[in-house]
Amino acid sequence: QKEVEQDPGPLSVPEGAIVSLNCTYSNSAFQYFMWYRQYSRKGPELLMYTYSSGNKEDGRFTAQVDKSSKYISLFIRDSQPSDSATYLCAMSEGQGGKLIFGQGTELSVKP
Amino acid sequence: GAVVSQHPSRVICKSGTSVKIECRSLDFQATTMFWYRQFPKKSLMLMATSNEGSKATYEQGVEKDKFLINHASLTLSTLTVTSAHPEDSSFYICSATGSQSLADTQYFGPGTRLTVL
Repeated sequence: QKEVEQDPGPLSVPEGAIVSLNCTYSNSAFQYFMWYRQYSRKGPELLMYTYSSGNKEDGRFTAQVDKSSKYISLFIRDSQPSDSATYLCAMSEGQGGKLIFGQGTELSVKP
Repeated sequence: GAVVSQHPSRVICKSGTSVKIECRSLDFQATTMFWYRQFPKKSLMLMATSNEGSKATYEQGVEKDKFLINHASLTLSTLTVTSAHPEDSSFYICSATGSQSLADTQYFGPGTRLTVL
């Protein structure tokens, strides 16, 4: 079993839809949770950062962490074609900076 | 803030030659830099972690004599692929974290696409 599981998709939605992206993990020591967005042939870009459990909102993006269920989510409201990218969840124990990444979910938002 | 650059963005080389990729943090001091490899439609595979002034720590299965990493300053790390072979063709991405970064947050460069003929 991988430490972090993420549905690779691809996921295709119409413009304006609400998108839900999810990751599950097995290591209860993870404390820091991140979502990165990666456009084709580019490096990942940090989208959301959360410490421990709870919700965090930034514009159209909301990140949720449920440590009791070992489950994290990223919601995108009013999705736009420019949101089309691969979304990677990442997490760490907070000791030394090593991140464990999910496989990435490829999202396509159709106009 | 937190901008990381890589050079070159794309390189094509002949089998047997060596290629150097540079990773720079432009507006912060990178105490730790990471090197990743990414295959098409796959996630990031950590190759090594380097701290300024120290030897790099390589992940299991990564040949340290083939992938030479130097982190000589707080803003520059280099990855040299020695005696490159076609199977080394990949997308190489660096990331950096600094003392002012959110804990364990890594900022990524734009990547370098290496093609070995």
